[in-house]
Amino acid sequence: DIVMTQSPLSLPVTPGEPASISCRSSQSLLHNNGFNYVDWYLQKPGQSPQLLIYLGSNRASGVPDRFSGSGSGTDFTLKISRVEAEDVGVYYCMQALQSPSITFGEGTRLEIK
Amino acid sequence: QVQLRESGPGLVKPSGTLSLTCAVSGASITTSNWWSWVRQPPGRGLEWIGEIFHRGNINYNPSLRGRVTITVDKFKNQFSLNLISVTAADTAVYYCAAKQMTNSGWYVGFSWGQGTLVTVSS
Repeated sequence: DIVMTQSPLSLPVTPGEPASISCRSSQSLLHNNGFNYVDWYLQKPGQSPQLLIYLGSNRASGVPDRFSGSGSGTDFTLKISRVEAEDVGVYYCMQALQSPSITFGEGTRLEIK
Repeated sequence: QVQLRESGPGLVKPSGTLSLTCAVSGASITTSNWWSWVRQPPGRGLEWIGEIFHRGNINYNPSLRGRVTITVDKFKNQFSLNLISVTAADTAVYYCAAKQMTNSGWYVGFSWGQGTLVTVSS
């Protein structure tokens, strides 16, 4: 399986400040079609995960533009330009390249200072 | 936008069979999507269980192979999960999810159901 490693695992942030989460994969997630098969999901307290970013850098419909994804190969980053109170929850990276299973990072818990 | 809703027993006895169904609305189950199951033990992270395409293609997590079966019912527009020989380690919130694909075959991320808690206990 492809192992996804996130850091940090806990992220206290002051509202209005930026935040960044790193995700590293044990194998390249770059498909031969030129896209990186990594997604970012936010699981708010008591809710199911919701899609933020797919294929490395594509914002899902309705996701605020303060969220952005970048990276290629084995190193990926989710950035929030200005954190708001509603951004609290656990952020997961996920690889959709498979081989053989889809796998997730451990999760990063974002909290407001 | 596809919508997903899980249903099934919330309590299963050890060594029994966990059976869940996911009703799909807002899209036909015969679209380009793959239909998936993911679980999350209490207070822990996410584990992919497996997926099915409406034509019968199936992929399972090797860690669960031999215990898990995923099926699709095109007439009811739903898909199901069966997990046999369950233990307390199978206690989790079970999510059904759609691995969304455009008609031209491009991947556009997962859409999730609300999840259902299944407890394995006598």
